[in-house]
Amino acid sequence: DTEVTQTPKHLVMGMTNKKSLKCEQHMGHRAMYWYKQKAKKPPELMFVYSYEKLSINESVPSRFSPECPNSSLLNLHLHALQPEDSALYLCASSQGALGTEAFFGQGTRLTVV
Amino acid sequence: AQSVTQLDSQVPVFEEAPVELRCNYSSSVSVYLFWYVQYPNQGLQLLLKYLSGSTLVKGINGFEAEFNKSQTSFHLRKPSVHISDTAEYFCAVILRSNDYKLSFGAGTTVTVRA
Repeated sequence: DTEVTQTPKHLVMGMTNKKSLKCEQHMGHRAMYWYKQKAKKPPELMFVYSYEKLSINESVPSRFSPECPNSSLLNLHLHALQPEDSALYLCASSQGALGTEAFFGQGTRLTVV
Repeated sequence: AQSVTQLDSQVPVFEEAPVELRCNYSSSVSVYLFWYVQYPNQGLQLLLKYLSGSTLVKGINGFEAEFNKSQTSFHLRKPSVHISDTAEYFCAVILRSNDYKLSFGAGTTVTVRA
């Protein structure tokens, strides 16, 4: 199994809503990532978890709150988002060692209205 | 500091013609280099990677890339493209001193026409 599974595939939420994005992998990878990708742009790193601990936060606004309940799961909790937060949110995982391949999920297309 | 520059934002190409996508990086330390492909409405898929060793790297779907340290380049090539190669291609780099941060170039849109 070389898949990273993200749910939901599409999400529309209002600015006052609270929602969560979910990501799951069963490859035994110990590093997991959240990226944000706007249309026609490369992915931008948001968070990195290493061995279930947050190791990198790229100065992401607090309305985005990551959580890593166990080594297979990664969540991104969303609250009070703005329309400009609309984007494709990609989850990825890697073995954790330097230079190893990152496997990406299909992404969640988020629209904030 | 590091950066990845993809020199072509769009590359139109006819089916069965060769294609080259150019990527340059700027770093004073050793790097790991990657090419990813993103098909419409999909996530990213790794085409190939350079970690060390042979400078010519072969990947999936007939793609290959050559690491040139003196020119700090990692250009991607395919001798004969198919319609199905229409996608966005991203060059990416990891600094050996900064293990988890995969930095992407701006991307190159490849459009294959019949």
